[in-house]
Amino acid sequence: QKEVEQDPGPLSVPEGAIVSLNCTYSNSAFQYFMWYRQYSRKGPELLMYTYSSGNKEDGRFTAQVDKSSKYISLFIRDSQPSDSATYLCAMSVRLDTGNQFYFGTGTSLTVIP
Amino acid sequence: NAGVTQTPKFQVLKTGQSMTLQCAQDMNHEYMSWYRQDPGMGLRLIHYSVGAGITDQGEVPNGYNVSRSTTEDFPLRLLSAAPSQTSVYFCASSYGARDNYGYTFGSGTRLTVV
Repeated sequence: QKEVEQDPGPLSVPEGAIVSLNCTYSNSAFQYFMWYRQYSRKGPELLMYTYSSGNKEDGRFTAQVDKSSKYISLFIRDSQPSDSATYLCAMSVRLDTGNQFYFGTGTSLTVIP
Repeated sequence: NAGVTQTPKFQVLKTGQSMTLQCAQDMNHEYMSWYRQDPGMGLRLIHYSVGAGITDQGEVPNGYNVSRSTTEDFPLRLLSAAPSQTSVYFCASSYGARDNYGYTFGSGTRLTVV
């Protein structure tokens, strides 16, 4: 079983739709939860990160963590064509040598004008 | 502020050739790492460094070497290229090894081994 599972999609939605992206994980030691956005032929860029369970909102984006269910989500409201990208979830656990990161495989999102 | 700079952006190698992928960051980040990204497999950690002079292996280190002589630079060396090393390589850095500030990624090097 992979440490982090993410549905690869692809996901296609009309402009203005609410998008829900999800990941599940198996390691209860994960402490930090992140979402990265990766445009085609670019490196991933950090979109949001949260610590422990709960919600965090930043503009049109909301990150949600449910540690009891080992489930994280990213919601995008009023989706725009510029949101078309691959979204990677990531989690980290602190080891003696520093933080160890684990990434999902990414969900490809297309927002149709 | 350039962030994380990777060179070259594209490279084609023949099987058995060696090369070095360059990575430099100007943010005084302590933690640097190399990932490869393959379809359906996501990002896999090759090597990482928690500071100058300190490196360690990640999930898929075989066939790769790294060194960290300065805080800024973290080159990745392919010793004898194989077709299985065809991938997109990303260098990433973060402020602290023990504090989670998230990664800053470079724009990637697309490597094809023929």
